[in-house]
Amino acid sequence: RKEVEQDPGPFNVPEGATVAFNCTYSNSASQSFFWYRQDCRKEPKLLMSVYSSGNEDGRFTAQLNRASQYISLLIRDSKLSDSATYLCVVNAYNTDKLIFGTGTRLQVFP
Amino acid sequence: ETGVTQSPTHLIKTRGQQVTLRCSSQSGHNTVSWYQQALGQGPQFIFQYYREEENGRGNFPPRFSGLQFPNYSSELNVNALELDDSALYLCASRALAGSHLGYTFGSGTRLTVV
Repeated sequence: RKEVEQDPGPFNVPEGATVAFNCTYSNSASQSFFWYRQDCRKEPKLLMSVYSSGNEDGRFTAQLNRASQYISLLIRDSKLSDSATYLCVVNAYNTDKLIFGTGTRLQVFP
Repeated sequence: ETGVTQSPTHLIKTRGQQVTLRCSSQSGHNTVSWYQQALGQGPQFIFQYYREEENGRGNFPPRFSGLQFPNYSSELNVNALELDDSALYLCASRALAGSHLGYTFGSGTRLTVV
């Protein structure tokens, strides 16, 4: 079983749609959780951290369920510029190693 | 723009050869990690250096080795290249031990092994 699992997609949605990505992780010792965004042939960039209480940044909302070892990302009012691959990332307690999922590809069309 | 620079941006090597990839960390960053990203996959942790010493390693064979220099620049060396080593190699640096949020990724070196 992979340490971090994501649906690879692609998710093809029209502008203005709401889209949700899910991710599960296997190591219950994981302490920090993140969503990264990666554009084609570019480096990953931190989109947002994920906190137990849930957190929101503009059109983006992240949720964490530690009991189910489940992370989600909700994007509201999708823009063409949201088209990218979204990587779910965790790291275990007291390590600096980042564990990435395979990524979920989003394509927003006009 | 990113403060982490990697060179070269692209590279083609023949199976069995050796390669050295370079990374210049963002100013003040004393921790550097290297990741391998194969096509269609997420980045995989190779190893990390802190103050010139390796202090974490992923599931990669010994032919993957690294160095960190006093100015915190870094190298990734791969010996006896295999076709499966074809990937994007990413360097990430940060300043504060234990703080993930400081990570900055370079734009990567795309290695093709033929």
